[in-house]
Amino acid sequence: QVQLQQWGTGLLKPSETLSLTCGVSGGSVRGSYWSWIRQPPGKGLEWIGEINHGGGTNYNPSLKSRLTISLDTSKSQFSLTLTSMTAADTAMYYCARGRNASTWGQGTLVTVSS
Amino acid sequence: QSVLTQPPSVSAAPGQMVTISCSGDTSNVASNDVAWYQQFPGTAPKLLIYEDNKRPSGIPDRFSASKSGTSATLDITGLQTGDEADYYCGTWDSRLSAVVFGGGTKVTVL
Repeated sequence: QVQLQQWGTGLLKPSETLSLTCGVSGGSVRGSYWSWIRQPPGKGLEWIGEINHGGGTNYNPSLKSRLTISLDTSKSQFSLTLTSMTAADTAMYYCARGRNASTWGQGTLVTVSS
Repeated sequence: QSVLTQPPSVSAAPGQMVTISCSGDTSNVASNDVAWYQQFPGTAPKLLIYEDNKRPSGIPDRFSASKSGTSATLDITGLQTGDEADYYCGTWDSRLSAVVFGGGTKVTVL
């Protein structure tokens, strides 16, 4: 079965860029959407965006100007880049498989602090 | 402010049933598949229901869901202490071209 393992920087200063990557094992990246979702401390889930196996993307309108999601099929991984980070972006970030998030990564706590 | 509306909390005694509602509109719940997630503190959410009422392998049939118009519901029957968690609904919003979630509902077993 598909498993997701994510990695990336967890502590950033304001204005820096967040980079996270999610590795896919136990299955192919083809034929699925791949998503990023975040959860601020003590709050609910917020969808960040998704990419399909063809490279097509959909982004949360509130993040679209700062967000890039990419897919590397040769490495079976997909990535998130979010620029101009602020304290409001502090959250647990999750990668997930599919639009219905059938499988989740373990999460990466991202803290933005000066 | 979440696009989908859920009650902040519900509670019941062990063995009883709780129902969690998820209210949206014609651009999301009414026209797209709804999923439900269970999240325990400090862990990633887990898919509980997909395509409105289907359970992934391994999810007990104590968890069931339905949808009517712009509202979806999740029922948990035979409530157990291990069901204490946060529950979220989510679906695609055709107007926003984005996935939207409810604010989450905390289930407490009395």
